[in-house]
Amino acid sequence: QTVVTQEPSFSVSPGGTVTLTCGLSSGSVSTSYYPSWYQQAPGQAPRTLIYSTNTRSSGVPDRFSGSILGNKAALTITGAQADDESDYYCVLYMGSGIWVFGGGTKLTVL
Amino acid sequence: EVQLVETGGGLIQPGGSLRLSCAGSGFTVSSTHMSWVRQAPGKGLEWVSVIFGGGSIYYADSVKGRFTISRDTSRNTLSLQMNTLRAEDTAVYYCARGGASGSYSFGYWGQGTLVTVSS
Repeated sequence: QTVVTQEPSFSVSPGGTVTLTCGLSSGSVSTSYYPSWYQQAPGQAPRTLIYSTNTRSSGVPDRFSGSILGNKAALTITGAQADDESDYYCVLYMGSGIWVFGGGTKLTVL
Repeated sequence: EVQLVETGGGLIQPGGSLRLSCAGSGFTVSSTHMSWVRQAPGKGLEWVSVIFGGGSIYYADSVKGRFTISRDTSRNTLSLQMNTLRAEDTAVYYCARGGASGSYSFGYWGQGTLVTVSS
């Protein structure tokens, strides 16, 4: 059973930088998993931020960036703003038509 | 403009069946992969099922044998037939369209429809 891991919660100060990660319970995340990232505000549908590791979706500010850091996918928010306070989910494509979401990270901006 | 609108949610007793629909506009549902993703109350996102543009279909283990995904190109809709429903199937069900070609991402999302399985 593949488990995709994310930090349950994170806190960042306004204007600060935060890096959220997305790992695997067994093994390393690589670009071959096509990691993508989604932002979800309370009561809202998810919004696509990053796909294919590091490509920003249309309309997403460039303070959001994606990468591979070590053995994990990473989402970095530079210059955090109050409305960045949301839940963030990564998802990995495992191949053979299967995706697995991480448990999500609740980001607090304070 | 791409839009996805889900319908069909509601309250259903355990063991019952329900059919969800997702109407697409601004694109054709057979042009890319289309998925159902669900979110139990207070929980994270869970991928449920996909139908690829070429017609291949896959399911999460948690719903395999109980749920059936399909599409109707004449009506440009995606459907999810859910049978033998359990309390743990209670969730908001989102329809999601594939993103950029070859990205294996979810580029567009509907607003979701709530399914509550309870007696």
